[in-house]
Amino acid sequence: EAQVTQNPRYLITVTGKKLTVTCSQNMNHEYMSWYRQDPGLGLRQIYYSMNVEVTDKGDVPEGYKVSRKEKRNFPLILESPSPNQTSLYFCASSTVAGGAPDTQYFGPGTRLTVL
Amino acid sequence: AQTVTQSQPEMSVQEAETVTLSCTYDTSESDYYLFWYKQPPSRQMILVIRQEAYKQQNATENRFSVNFQKAAKSFSLKISDSQLGDAAMYFCAYRRNAGGTSYGKLTFGQGTILTVHP
Repeated sequence: EAQVTQNPRYLITVTGKKLTVTCSQNMNHEYMSWYRQDPGLGLRQIYYSMNVEVTDKGDVPEGYKVSRKEKRNFPLILESPSPNQTSLYFCASSTVAGGAPDTQYFGPGTRLTVL
Repeated sequence: AQTVTQSQPEMSVQEAETVTLSCTYDTSESDYYLFWYKQPPSRQMILVIRQEAYKQQNATENRFSVNFQKAAKSFSLKISDSQLGDAAMYFCAYRRNAGGTSYGKLTFGQGTILTVHP
């Protein structure tokens, strides 16, 4: 089954404790992206990757890191989480058509709470 | 910078009726894509329909169609014969389609919650 998986699905942590949210896709997609969803603000893109070893900032990259060492994986790293990073996080992937990402497939989301 | 605005936080419709969700955007680009995504309570994000800016014909997918007004920078979604399963949050999104590295960037609106009454 074609899918994007995220782990963990739910996480409660404390301020300053480094964490990683994993994202994996089995569709051989070149493009992957991370979003956060907050009430009243919709979805905002954090980082995206057009292919292995190619990453770029979205609209809200501060406080986050990513890496793309393999095509299927795109982990999101919070080096020192803060309460304002409490949010619902989505990973997405797509093929690249004509040099740009095509229809995106989203993971199930990760609910993160930072105390 | 591109912005996407959904001015209707909530909408409701009777089953079998038609509803239109509004979206406006601001960009200086001429080549871009617009999308409508559906997010049901399960939180999955499902692509409903997409429109390429250089195509004048409005996109249609079964009961879903768009009214794309490029000059007005408006991209509304019409749902015909509404069904209970259409109840969800709907997001409008924009992506540029030419040049540079920022064509990987997707900008979403704030979302519209659609309620369908039986």
